[in-house]
Amino acid sequence: QSALTQPASVSGSPGQSISISCTGTSSDVGSYNSVSWYQQQPGKAPKLMIYEDNKRPSGVSNRFSGSKSGNTASLTISGLQAEDEADYYCYSYAGSNTLIFGGGTKLTVL
Amino acid sequence: EVQLVESGGGLVQSGRSLRLSCAASGFTFDDYAMHWVRQAPGKGLEWVSGISWNSGNIGYMDSVKGRFTISRDNAKKSLFLQMNSLRADDTALYYCAKSVSLDYTTSCPDYWGQGTLVSVSS
Repeated sequence: QSALTQPASVSGSPGQSISISCTGTSSDVGSYNSVSWYQQQPGKAPKLMIYEDNKRPSGVSNRFSGSKSGNTASLTISGLQAEDEADYYCYSYAGSNTLIFGGGTKLTVL
Repeated sequence: EVQLVESGGGLVQSGRSLRLSCAASGFTFDDYAMHWVRQAPGKGLEWVSGISWNSGNIGYMDSVKGRFTISRDNAKKSLFLQMNSLRADDTALYYCAKSVSLDYTTSCPDYWGQGTLVSVSS
């Protein structure tokens, strides 16, 4: 059960768009419509931002969007704001009744 | 308002046991699967275990299989994690999380508690 692969860090300036990738295998990310994305601010519990690959929970800004191609899912944040600075994690069903997170990506807003 | 309150964490010696609890309110507890997720200090999130709404489907991450047991009491709106044979690498903040639907394998956590800290000394 190796963690899904995410870049350790990404950065962008206010107003720009950034994407965070999440790479798995055909046994997890590539097999199920079940990639989710979480935002975690320092000292806080994670917050669900995207579920089922590309759905946004009520209350989440439409600046956040999700997509998937093959074994790689992506989270895109458009119109970057200072408040978006946080750690982001992807999450997927991994088969055999188990689930798995990505290693996490630290987003810095310059 | 959904509320999840974890308890039962603490400092324990390697090889000993702890039982974590999670008290749920603000939603119909037995309509949803539940999860335990942990985060070691300064590290990423790690899914530990999940349980379906009726306890009919349960799963664990490889490193805790045979040592940890997840359970729930729908009448008391509570989730539990019995942790035996604790090791230093089990040291983490343990979060209780509500899933989006009945089965934990087909739905993700949407609401989280604030966590309870487990520290295992070697």
